[in-house]
Amino acid sequence: AQSVTQPDARVTVSEGASLQLRCKYSYSATPYLFWYVQYPRQGLQMLLKYYSGDPVVQGVNGFEAEFSKSDSSFHLRKASVHWSDSAVYFCAVRGGTGNTRKLIFGLGTTLQVQP
Amino acid sequence: DPKIIQKPKYLVAVTGSEKILICEQYLGHNAMYWYRQSAKKPLEFMFSYSYQKLMDNQTASSRFQPQSSKKNHLDLQITALKPDDSATYFCASSQEDRGPAEQFFGPGTRLTVL
Repeated sequence: AQSVTQPDARVTVSEGASLQLRCKYSYSATPYLFWYVQYPRQGLQMLLKYYSGDPVVQGVNGFEAEFSKSDSSFHLRKASVHWSDSAVYFCAVRGGTGNTRKLIFGLGTTLQVQP
Repeated sequence: DPKIIQKPKYLVAVTGSEKILICEQYLGHNAMYWYRQSAKKPLEFMFSYSYQKLMDNQTASSRFQPQSSKKNHLDLQITALKPDDSATYFCASSQEDRGPAEQFFGPGTRLTVL
């Protein structure tokens, strides 16, 4: 069955430090992968997506992610975090059987940026 | 201006009652979805609609019924509410033309069933 694993429930980094949030997926076909961010009391906003081509994709606010088929991973990175990046980050894969459009989400990683 | 409106923001209900969660999107999208976010669980897909027709139902219970009265509306009726239904319910939409599209999410309705 398709699934997404985010192994880190919480990550704490200092402002200005680099960041990597990990995501592993399980999907039989070519995956469509997404990273979403959820700020407190808000809905989810997409940061970036990967469909095909260059395995490194750029997103908003300086975020990027790298797709690895061999490792079944889609890790999110940022070179220098800001306090406003504190939020919950979700990795998702689109898929399932047939032509479903459902997104399968991981449990999320709470990022806390310390001043 | 909010592009996806969900009403109400918070909802408290008693066990056994019925509630309707409202969702309206003003993005001009042709597909709409419902997801549920419960404590300690991943965000869970419930339904997808395309051009007001049900495309995918991943909800085991018939107590959850989506209703689409207009192309930019997708409400969720929940009957015989149970405490386990307590969750935040998110509506989403996308423009599905060629290939997978980004799904835009509303702010959610937080439902508490007592």
